[in-house]
Amino acid sequence: EIVLTQSPGTLSLSPGERATLSCRASQSVSSSYLAWYQQKPGQAPRLLIYSTSSRATGIPDRFSGSGSGTDFTLTISRLEPEDFAVYYCQQYGSSPRTFGPGTKVDLK
Amino acid sequence: QVQLVQSGAEVKKPGASVKVSCKASGYTFTTYSMHWVRQAPGQGLEWLGVINPSGGSTSYAQNFQDRITMTRDTSTSTVYMALSTLRSEDTAVYFCARSWQLLSPFDNWGQGTLVTVSS
Repeated sequence: EIVLTQSPGTLSLSPGERATLSCRASQSVSSSYLAWYQQKPGQAPRLLIYSTSSRATGIPDRFSGSGSGTDFTLTISRLEPEDFAVYYCQQYGSSPRTFGPGTKVDLK
Repeated sequence: QVQLVQSGAEVKKPGASVKVSCKASGYTFTTYSMHWVRQAPGQGLEWLGVINPSGGSTSYAQNFQDRITMTRDTSTSTVYMALSTLRSEDTAVYFCARSWQLLSPFDNWGQGTLVTVSS
């Protein structure tokens, strides 16, 4: 099983600032199979990024993904008020599909 | 538009079983895989398994192999997830989520179904 670790656990920032979230895998993940999701309280997760760097339909270009091997990054270039949420990385190239524990981006 | 509508909240006693449904609309039901993911209160996301609605084949997470069953009804575009021998640790919100291929991300999610296990 591929274990995903995310850091930091919580990121306290202000609107307009840049957010950099990290996801590390216990073994190499093909870049084709790494995704990021956003989840707000009481809601289902929403797909943001797939295949490491491809934005899902309707996702604004302030969200970008990068990385390879075991280290992946989600960057939010300028935080908007609606971006304060929990973000999960996921690998979907092997079974079981696994998620990281999440990074909470909250208001400073 | 794509919609995945799940059944309502359930309260079960330890040892009982639960069956949650997920009705799909807005796309061709048999061309997308359907996964189940759960989230315990205040916790992260845990993948339970996947069903191919076309042929009905399934793949389950090892931790749930002996007590989870996923089925589908193509006539109503509905998938089901049944979990037996419930314990308090199974208290969680259960989500269905579709992917366009077996090895694809989850691009649409149901609204979630809260299952509470309590004596």
